[in-house]
Amino acid sequence: EAQVTQNPRYLITVTGKKLTVTCSQNMNHEYMSWYRQDPGLGLRQIYYSMNVEVTDKGDVPEGYKVSRKEKRNFPLILESPSPNQTSLYFCASSSQTGGFGYTFGSGTRLTVV
Amino acid sequence: AQSVTQLDSQVPVFEEAPVELRCNYSSSVSVYLFWYVQYPNQGLQLLLKYLSGSTLVKGINGFEAEFNKSQTSFHLRKPSVHISDTAEYFCAVISSGAGSYQLTFGKGTKLSVIP
Repeated sequence: EAQVTQNPRYLITVTGKKLTVTCSQNMNHEYMSWYRQDPGLGLRQIYYSMNVEVTDKGDVPEGYKVSRKEKRNFPLILESPSPNQTSLYFCASSSQTGGFGYTFGSGTRLTVV
Repeated sequence: AQSVTQLDSQVPVFEEAPVELRCNYSSSVSVYLFWYVQYPNQGLQLLLKYLSGSTLVKGINGFEAEFNKSQTSFHLRKPSVHISDTAEYFCAVISSGAGSYQLTFGKGTKLSVIP
């Protein structure tokens, strides 16, 4: 089944403790993105990647890092999480040949206390 | 820079009535346009997309949208809604000439279908 897999689904952590949210897709998509969703603000892009080793900042990149060492994986790293990073996070992937219809993961609900 | 404005944050409608969710975009280059749906406690699902060609686009679950370049709009419509259509709907745009193919979302419209 074609899908984007995020882990974990739920995470509670403390301020300053480094964490990684994993994202993997099995569709050989070249484009991958991370979004955060907050009430009333919609989805805002954190980082995106156009292919292996090619990443760029989205609208809200502060406090986040990403890497794209393999085509299928696009982990999101929070080096020193803070409470304002409490949010619902989505990973998504798409391809030009697929008409850019992004496929989304199920989401990761992160709480930073 | 590209942006999307969804004009209504909440839309209540009675079951079996028609609905239109409004979306306007801003971009200086050609665009690709999308509507996504998010059911409660779920991820996002693609409803329909406009890349080129016919300006009337049909999607899943009986939804359709019309691309209007002169009004920079991409409104979503359904002639008769069901209870199961209760969800949040997001309009999104990619500026095809920008080279990066970033997907930018509006803030969403919550559709509530009243029995």
